Amino acid sequence: GAGVSQSPSNKVTEKGKDVELRCDPISGHTALYWYRQSLGQGLEFLIYFQGNSAPDKSGLPSDRFSAERTGGSVSTLTIQRTQQEDSAVYLCASSMRQNYEQYFGPGTRLTVT
Amino acid sequence: DQQVKQNSPSLSVQEGRISILNCDYTNSMFDYFLWYKKYPAEGPTFLISISSIKDKNEDGRFTVFLNKSAKHLSLHIVPSQPGDSAVYFCAASGGGADGLTFGKGTHLIIQP
Repeated sequence: GAGVSQSPSNKVTEKGKDVELRCDPISGHTALYWYRQSLGQGLEFLIYFQGNSAPDKSGLPSDRFSAERTGGSVSTLTIQRTQQEDSAVYLCASSMRQNYEQYFGPGTRLTVT
Repeated sequence: DQQVKQNSPSLSVQEGRISILNCDYTNSMFDYFLWYKKYPAEGPTFLISISSIKDKNEDGRFTVFLNKSAKHLSLHIVPSQPGDSAVYFCAASGGGADGLTFGKGTHLIIQP
């Protein structure tokens, strides 16, 4: 595709439910990143994939968060037992290689009620 | 501890004048710096970047200056246009992190 796409664009869920967010990176980009932006804050780095592997998962806020990437392409970010503090915009980005310009998707706005 | 700081939450500039957005960083291991522009309900859009081996990079109306000794960078937009009104994020790469480290952003408002 022409750019990074994310789905859904908006998600409202009840506290305690699980959610799954999807990211389709730019074709050929080997590096994929997840960030989140809480209200009034900058972007907070969550996790990075080089190919299908994530070398370091320590940026994930808690063990309720997990992410995977398959086929070197699509990635999913899963949040289990959502809490109100998980409400944020979750952004995915991809780049040709690590530490190069990253191109962002439009984000998924998650609201936990 | 914020490693990338944008101390001006907002900036108002008259159309046609120069906009100067500032950014400071604390991690001396950062080796690549980027500016992103963000409109509401959209993801950040890459604008311009600079490697730590340079002190200036220019692209059309946008110029980024890097002062490594002061750990400071700035984005100059000249002339400023109404479409430049957006939130601008400074970001840094390296320093041991896998992802980019972002500042909190500066909301630039171009006045007609």
